[in-house]
This record gives sequence, C-alpha cells and structure tokens, in this order.
Amino acid sequence: DAKTTQPPSMDCAEGRAANLPCNHSTISGNEYVYWYRQIHSQGPQYIIHGLKNNETNEMASLIITEDRKSSTLILPHATLRDTAVYYCIVRVTGSSNTGKLIFGQGTTLQVKP
Amino acid sequence: DGGITQSPKYLFRKEGQNVTLSCEQNLNHDAMYWYRQDPGQGLRLIYYSQIVNDFQKGDIAEGYSVSREKKESFPLTVTSAQKNPTAFYLCASCRQTNSPLHFGNGTRLTVT
Repeated sequence: DAKTTQPPSMDCAEGRAANLPCNHSTISGNEYVYWYRQIHSQGPQYIIHGLKNNETNEMASLIITEDRKSSTLILPHATLRDTAVYYCIVRVTGSSNTGKLIFGQGTTLQVKP
Repeated sequence: DGGITQSPKYLFRKEGQNVTLSCEQNLNHDAMYWYRQDPGQGLRLIYYSQIVNDFQKGDIAEGYSVSREKKESFPLTVTSAQKNPTAFYLCASCRQTNSPLHFGNGTRLTVT
C-alpha cells in the first residue's frame, strides 16, 4: 500500500503558486520523498525528490518538514500545462532495495485561467 | 535522444489471445519495471528486473510474464490467464535503484 496521503483534487489560478501537500507520517529514515506528475494518457514525469533538506530544481521546490512526516510540492508560477495528477511517493533506496515506486491516488491539480 | 520507447501506443486483441508489449530503453539503465494503470487509479507494479536475466514479481503478476535477455529490452506478455487485461501499461527504467524512474508513454491495451 502507498504510504502517503494526498487531497484528491486542488485548483490553482494561472500564474499563482500551486502548493500541493502530502502526508507521510510513517516514513522511515532511509525513505526518500518523490514527486511525479501524469498528464492524461501519458507516462508519469519525474519532478523532484528529497530526503530531509528542501530541494529546488527548474520545475519545482520540495519543502519537507523537520520531522519528515509531511511535505509540500511548490510550482512557483502555475501554467495551464501544469494541469495533471500529482503523485507523492515514499521510496526505499539503497543497493539492497528494488527501487520500485508504490503509487497512491494522487492529487488532480486543475490550473484555471 | 535517449529515452524509453513503448510500442504500439494502442493495441487491440481478442479474448483468449496472448499479446506482447514492447519496451526498449537506450539510457543504459540497469533496472526496468512494468506497471498497469486502470481508469482513475494509480499505477500498480506487475514485474521488475534489476539486472539482465533476472526479474521478480510485483504486486499483480498473475496472468503476466516477462523476459530480460538484453539490458535494453523488457517485453511484457499478457496471457489469456489475465482476467482483466484491458488497461494502460507503462514501462519504466532507472540507472540504479536509488535514482529516479523514467517512464515511457505507455501502451493502451483493449481486449474484447
């Protein structure tokens, strides 16, 4: 089972920041938080991942709380093309692990003009 | 350009026939994965392979088979034993098990 909880849907105005929350209260010390998004009928696209420090790349920022029990994905200036289902996933890493991702239901983000 | 290629994009089969879905990657990734997605649902893991000539069952392997004879290729066969084969099938790969997975654009299989 997925170890994350996300709201089923959210709206955001175009040009504004989209803040997508994720709860992962049972996360273990060796589990990373990954974010992917899926636009209809396409494969999921990797966005960002982190362990405990905040991370930023050209697509988004990831804010992880100090206790690591929740995180927020931030799209700084949402566009209509950011409308998608966003998946928050905790993933065990390390050479002895499979590397598989366990997907939950995700959050459907609707960016509105 | 490097990437993961799944073909065909749409596939139609009659019930009772086996069908093989192709997945090829030129990213030199060691690990490869097959997922299934049903309408309005998240992805579920069917099979995965961490190295050539080795693979493991995922959460819903019944009715499916795979092979990994080459690093670049991880074909999935949907057998007649799979009770509900109509779905969107996604292949993914990663360089190592601690690096991000990259996904192909999927094959939509319809069995009637």
